[in-house]
Amino acid sequence: QSALTQPPSASGSPGQSVTISCTGTSSDVGTYNYVSWYQQHPGKAPKLMIYEVSKRPSGVPDRFSGSKSGNTASLTVSGLQAEDEADYHCKSYAGSNGYVFGAGTKVTVL
Amino acid sequence: QVQLVQSGAEVKKPGASVKVSCKASGYIFTSYYMHWVRQAPGQGLEWMGIIKSGGTITQYAQKFQDRVTITRDTSTSTVYMELSSLRSDDTAVYYCAREFPESYYFDSWGQGTLVTVSS
Repeated sequence: QSALTQPPSASGSPGQSVTISCTGTSSDVGTYNYVSWYQQHPGKAPKLMIYEVSKRPSGVPDRFSGSKSGNTASLTVSGLQAEDEADYHCKSYAGSNGYVFGAGTKVTVL
Repeated sequence: QVQLVQSGAEVKKPGASVKVSCKASGYIFTSYYMHWVRQAPGQGLEWMGIIKSGGTITQYAQKFQDRVTITRDTSTSTVYMELSSLRSDDTAVYYCAREFPESYYFDSWGQGTLVTVSS
């Protein structure tokens, strides 16, 4: 099972938006609406930000949004803030293969 | 509040085994699945396997199928992950992560356990 494809980095100025893509295959992202996104600050455990493609857990700001089209899911962070600087990992359910993650995208707030 | 507290860092020699624990509190332990995920230095997250709420069903990533065993002890609300035949590229931070059954997302994570494999 190959990892999902994410860009290694993305950046934006405070107040701007940044969108991160996550490309899989018809065996994972393309078939299941079970894509989730995790934020990870250096030295910390990941934190759930988006589940089921576009749903936000309680406590996650509505600046974070998710979507999916075909085999590609996306995470958009609007109104970038300094605390949004972190690594973002996408994950998809892959049926009998379990779960597959992307390699992570480092978001820098300029 | 939900807490997943993992055991401390380990240093192992190649060929040895390591057993990492994850003690859960703040919720009904038997009602949730538990996953193990690892992260090599500077790398992304990698799913290793799951133990389901009944405790008898496990599923492992094909890559680890013959080397990993996930078990649990309901009397202490603890899940264990044992990885055998360690190699240098098993050096990583290992996380446990909770899933409500069939929700397909991980809503709480342990703090991570660094396992270093070095001769």
